[in-house]
Amino acid sequence: EAQVTQNPRYLITVTGKKLTVTCSQNMNHEYMSWYRQDPGLGLRQIYYSMNVEVTDKGDVPEGYKVSRKEKRNFPLILESPSPNQTSLYFCASSWGGAGEKLFFGSGTQLSVL
Amino acid sequence: LAKTTQPISMDSYEGQEVNITCSHNNIATNDYITWYQQFPSQGPRFIIQGYKTKVTNEVASLFIPADRKSSTLSLPRVSLSDTAVYYCLVGGIYNQGGKLIFGQGTELSVKP
Repeated sequence: EAQVTQNPRYLITVTGKKLTVTCSQNMNHEYMSWYRQDPGLGLRQIYYSMNVEVTDKGDVPEGYKVSRKEKRNFPLILESPSPNQTSLYFCASSWGGAGEKLFFGSGTQLSVL
Repeated sequence: LAKTTQPISMDSYEGQEVNITCSHNNIATNDYITWYQQFPSQGPRFIIQGYKTKVTNEVASLFIPADRKSSTLSLPRVSLSDTAVYYCLVGGIYNQGGKLIFGQGTELSVKP
């Protein structure tokens, strides 16, 4: 089954404790991206990757890191989480192109205390 | 990058047709218009996409006027299960170098 898998589904952590949210897709998509969703603000792009070893900042990249060492994986890293990073996070992938569609994961609800 | 504007929320009743309009005044010539649906506690999912005129699939219709500065998602005879947030996205990954801007979305509430 074609899918984007995020883990964990829920995560509670404390300020400053490094964490990684994993994202994996099995569709051989070149494009992957991360979003955060907050009430009243919709989906905001954090980082994206056009292909392996190619990453770039979205609208809200501060406090986040990503890497794209393999085509299927695109982890989101919070080196020193802060309470304002408490949010619902989504990973998405696509084959790319002008009229592509995005496939989203199920989300990761992160709480930073 | 094309910025989109949608109503924040809409209410409807079961069996009615719902039309959600998205404004995108600075749409580029080769931009597509894509709509996503998001249920609570789930990731958004693609429902329909168009470039111009009208597109219809088993879920919805998408109307795009000639100037392409707006688009309307039409959901025929909604049911309670259509209660969701609907996002309009304009552009494309390669058109915009990978950067995508979603609007706030429209929260549709369908009542019995």
